[in-house]
Amino acid sequence: ETGVTQTPRHLVMGMTNKKSLKCEQHLGHNAMYWYKQSAKKPLELMFVYNFKEQTENNSVPSRFSPECPNSSHLFLHLHTLQPEDSALYLCASSPGGVNEQYFGPGTRLTVT
Amino acid sequence: TQLLEQSPQFLSIQEGENLTVYCNSSSVFSSLQWYRQEPGEGPVLLVTVVTGGEVKKLKRLTFQFGDARKDSSLHITAAQTGDTGLYLCAGGLRNSGYALNFGKGTSLLVTP
Repeated sequence: ETGVTQTPRHLVMGMTNKKSLKCEQHLGHNAMYWYKQSAKKPLELMFVYNFKEQTENNSVPSRFSPECPNSSHLFLHLHTLQPEDSALYLCASSPGGVNEQYFGPGTRLTVT
Repeated sequence: TQLLEQSPQFLSIQEGENLTVYCNSSSVFSSLQWYRQEPGEGPVLLVTVVTGGEVKKLKRLTFQFGDARKDSSLHITAAQTGDTGLYLCAGGLRNSGYALNFGKGTSLLVTP
């Protein structure tokens, strides 16, 4: 399998649930990212990992918890979310030192 | 504050027409990328421009980076229905690490 994959593609969860989003990149890149895409808003950068180390946390609420066990895998753990957290969550990766990013297909999250 | 402003926000044209969309900022970018995103999918990288005044062509798509590296344009010649999608520009700032700033996008609809 090539590129950036994300699972699940769709997720519906209640506000008291705990779930995790998974991202895997097969491109040999060093950096991985989580973005949130809501209607009528630009892509919002949430977290950046470089060589498994978190280098950026864009003031994201603690109900979103990232995990990067190695350079190929990235998780986003979710708990006690709010309805306004419903959005498309995109994972991306990039080679070290450049800005070109390669995106996965996203997880469409609905919080009920 | 929105660093990158894209215009127009929406564009509906017929097959065969030409169009130009714009990406403007008051900031200087070290590089700028254009992506196309289809509904329910992640953005797909089209091109990266890094040199002021640079022009790149991708089949019927022509990308230009402004001389001052603050703005960019995307011109499509003889649009096809397959060009339909959300066109996003994203810029990398010096000393901002790997983070990209995204515009809100131009939603293009090409009808037969």
